Amino acid sequence: GESVGLHLPTLSVQEGDNSIINCAYSNSASDYFIWYKQESGKGPQFIIDIRSNMDKRQGQRVTVLLNKTVKHLSLQIAATQPGDSAVYFCAENIGNDTGRRALTFGSGTRLQVQP
Amino acid sequence: DAGITQSPRHKVTETGTPVTLRCHQTENHRYMYWYRQDPGHGLRLIHYSYGVKDTDKGEVSDGYSVSRSKTEDFLLTLESATSSQTSVYFCAISGLGRETQYFGPGTRLLVL
Repeated sequence: GESVGLHLPTLSVQEGDNSIINCAYSNSASDYFIWYKQESGKGPQFIIDIRSNMDKRQGQRVTVLLNKTVKHLSLQIAATQPGDSAVYFCAENIGNDTGRRALTFGSGTRLQVQP
Repeated sequence: DAGITQSPRHKVTETGTPVTLRCHQTENHRYMYWYRQDPGHGLRLIHYSYGVKDTDKGEVSDGYSVSRSKTEDFLLTLESATSSQTSVYFCAISGLGRETQYFGPGTRLLVL
């Protein structure tokens, strides 16, 4: 069963296309950001992270871009595959004491990959 | 799921009954967290622990208590379950000096 919102924004892409998922964060003091992927019935899975002293970070088929000026984060997925279909969350890390930090999550975007 | 298990995975209970959810980790990580996930609200922090017997409240802690007597176990208790506590509960862990949190598979709780 679904464990995420019923009215999430949805991005529908064709298999093989690139996907861009956007996230606006709220706190200008946030200095660490994470993207998670959540498949139906499962827990969030770490994809990639970025610190506020960076503008871009690349992983395998994924790139995260950070624009601190407008407090915007994006996740780019190259050559999107059916297995990428999931809900994607951004999270910002607020706090000064490692470990006591709480992650604040965005509401998520559902990615649907059409074959 | 990064060496994290949650039990039970599914539970149905009645209003007013106590419920305890268990999170167990094999990573020896210092920090553990409990979140709930609801439609329209995303993931929200209930309580967290920064060491054995050291816990603190998150943003939605009312009606919940936690205990951590061992590094590997973090228990979440609903003293008297209410229908508003119907949710999916996720445990997460992070290591010392690491902000990345890794999540367990979740517990789906239905309070009738």
